[in-house]
Amino acid sequence: SAVISQKPSRDICQRGTSLTIQCQVDSQVTMMFWYRQQPGQSLTLIATANQGSEATYESGFVIDKFPISRPNLTFSTLTVSNMSPEDSSIYLCSVLRQGDKNIQYFGAGTRLSVL
Amino acid sequence: DAKTTQPTSMDCAEGRAANLPCNHSTISGNEYVYWYRQIHSQGPQYIIHGLKNNETNEMASLIITEDRKSSTLILPHATLRDTAVYYCIVSRSGSARQLTFGSGTQLTVLP
Repeated sequence: SAVISQKPSRDICQRGTSLTIQCQVDSQVTMMFWYRQQPGQSLTLIATANQGSEATYESGFVIDKFPISRPNLTFSTLTVSNMSPEDSSIYLCSVLRQGDKNIQYFGAGTRLSVL
Repeated sequence: DAKTTQPTSMDCAEGRAANLPCNHSTISGNEYVYWYRQIHSQGPQYIIHGLKNNETNEMASLIITEDRKSSTLILPHATLRDTAVYYCIVSRSGSARQLTFGSGTQLTVLP
């Protein structure tokens, strides 16, 4: 398995501000993904973080709102920009390693509350 | 990826086997069945996956019907710590793909 460190674990933010979430993996991984889990809901994929290039966003998610960086094979960040109360969710990072039969490993998540 | 259907919730007595069903009638020949679970306030945890043969690991067993249109995850001796939402996901392996999570089954293990 992979050890994933996600920071911060939780935060309370004011409307209109931005928060950057970090995801650090203990080994090089092929793919990194960012998911959102709204209260009482299942997980929804936001984007695939591509190393050295722009992230691939799912329908309904845009780069201006959720800019993503992935400078190397073990680290990625997700920024939630210009936040509103509707952005209150758990944000999760997951990783996929080469040869792991598409088994994804998830971080513990960042619980975000926007006031 | 094929769509899956799971019961919304199930209860199980502690120490008994928990059998969680999943329907995936539109599954393709190259799609695997994956099971994950999410304990409250944690990230999802991989449990097991299979293509067409039954699989067993230290956590659970996966039984896939011969026509592959449904499967059952079996937790042989459920404990209180197994209380979680269980997700059945169908996805192609061999290529890096994101997982599509459905609503899952809330399993509650009762003392």
